[in-house]
Amino acid sequence: DVKVTQSSRYLVKRTGEKVFLECVQDMDHENMFWYRQDPGLGLRLIYFSYDVKMKEKGDIPEGYSVSREKKERFSLILESASTNQTSMYLCASRMDRGPTNTGELFFGEGSRLTVL
Amino acid sequence: EDQVTQSPEALRLQEGESSSLNCSYTVSGLRGLFWYRQDPGKGPEFLFTLYSAGEEKEKERLKATLTKKESFLHITAPKPEDSATYLCAVHDNYGQNFVFGPGTRLSVLP
Repeated sequence: DVKVTQSSRYLVKRTGEKVFLECVQDMDHENMFWYRQDPGLGLRLIYFSYDVKMKEKGDIPEGYSVSREKKERFSLILESASTNQTSMYLCASRMDRGPTNTGELFFGEGSRLTVL
Repeated sequence: EDQVTQSPEALRLQEGESSSLNCSYTVSGLRGLFWYRQDPGKGPEFLFTLYSAGEEKEKERLKATLTKKESFLHITAPKPEDSATYLCAVHDNYGQNFVFGPGTRLSVLP
C-alpha cells in the first residue's frame, strides 16, 4: 500500500512565524503535490513537483514556497504565516504514467494549521 | 478552464435507501475522472478512476459511471459507515493538475 506521511497533524502558530510542513511518500512516485482545503472552496493546488528539484506553481502559490531535495520528500514552507493561511493542508503523490495515461493521487492524512 | 461541480451539496439517507451523487465537468480533453471518499479530519481516500464515456466501476455498495459531461456515484443500500464527503476530480490532457469539485456530504442514518 502507498503511504504518504505528513509530519504534523495539528499545528498552532503565530502570525509572522515560519512554518514547515513535511511530507514523505514510500512508493518512489515522481509527482508530489500540496493542496489546501477550505470549507466551500474545495481542494486548491498550491505547488506541485514532477521530479527532484523541480517545482511548478499551482493555483494559489502566493505566500508559500516548496522544496524537493529528495524524491520521497516534499516540503511546504510558509515564510511568514498569516491568519488567512489557517487551513487543512494535504500532501499527495502520484506515479507518472506518461502523457497517455493517468495515475490517481494518494493523499496523506492532512495537517491542520491554525495561525493566531 | 477545467471545472467540476457536484450535487447535491449534502444528502441525508436512511440506511438502505439507495441514491446517486452527481459530478458535472467541463474539461479540455479528459484524461481521467476520479472519485474519492473523505472522512472528517482525514485525507481523501481513492475510490475509482474512469477514463472514457460508458465506463462503469463497482466496489461494494458503490458504482461509478461516466458520460461525456458527468459522472454518477450510485450508492446501493447504504450503511451508516458510508457517511463521508465524496469528492470528484478530473485530470485533463494538458497538465499535471487535478481539478476537484466541492464534494457531496453524505449522511446515512441508522
